Amino acid sequence: EIVLTQSPGTLSLSPWERATLSCRASQGVSNNYLAWYQQKLGQAPRLLIYGASTRATGIPDRFSGSGSGTDFTLTISRLDPEDFAVYFCQQYGSSTITFGQGTRLEIK
Amino acid sequence: QVQLVQSGAAVRRPGASVKVSCKVSGKTLTAFSIHWVRQTPGKGLEWMGGYEPEDGDSVYAQKFQGRVAMTEDTSTDTAYMELNSLTSEDTAIYFCAAESVVRVTLIRAFEYWGQGALVTVSS
Repeated sequence: EIVLTQSPGTLSLSPWERATLSCRASQGVSNNYLAWYQQKLGQAPRLLIYGASTRATGIPDRFSGSGSGTDFTLTISRLDPEDFAVYFCQQYGSSTITFGQGTRLEIK
Repeated sequence: QVQLVQSGAAVRRPGASVKVSCKVSGKTLTAFSIHWVRQTPGKGLEWMGGYEPEDGDSVYAQKFQGRVAMTEDTSTDTAYMELNSLTSEDTAIYFCAAESVVRVTLIRAFEYWGQGALVTVSS
């Protein structure tokens, strides 16, 4: 099973700053089937990015994904107050799906 | 618009079973591959299994094989997840999550989620 390790565990930033979140896989993610989700307290996760770099429907263009193989990045170009939440990466490979442990993005 | 609505919270004794439902609206169940993901404070998001369109069958995470069953009723557009032999470690929020299978290319990610169902296992 592919293990996804997210860093940092917690990221403290101010609105309007740029956020860079990392997701590293223990082995290559097939077909770059790497997705990013945002989760707010008491809510279900919300799909932001799939295929490593494609924004899901309705996601603002300040969110972008990049990377391939084992190293992936979610970038939020200018933080909006509503962006402070927990972010998870997820991979699909060989009929097995795994999630990273999450990065908490908090207001500084 | 597409919605996934899950059954409510449940409390079970250790050793018992729980069955959680997930009703799809806005499109038919057959337009989606339904998976189940649980969330605990200690272990984050954990994939349990789901329908794999490329295999035409359900696939389960090894951890849950033999203890979980995922079924669907297309007449009511409802998916079910039943987990048996519950222990306190199964206390979690259980989500159904859906990937559209009517796309030209599968995206292997979950566009739609249910609201979650809290299952508490306690004696």
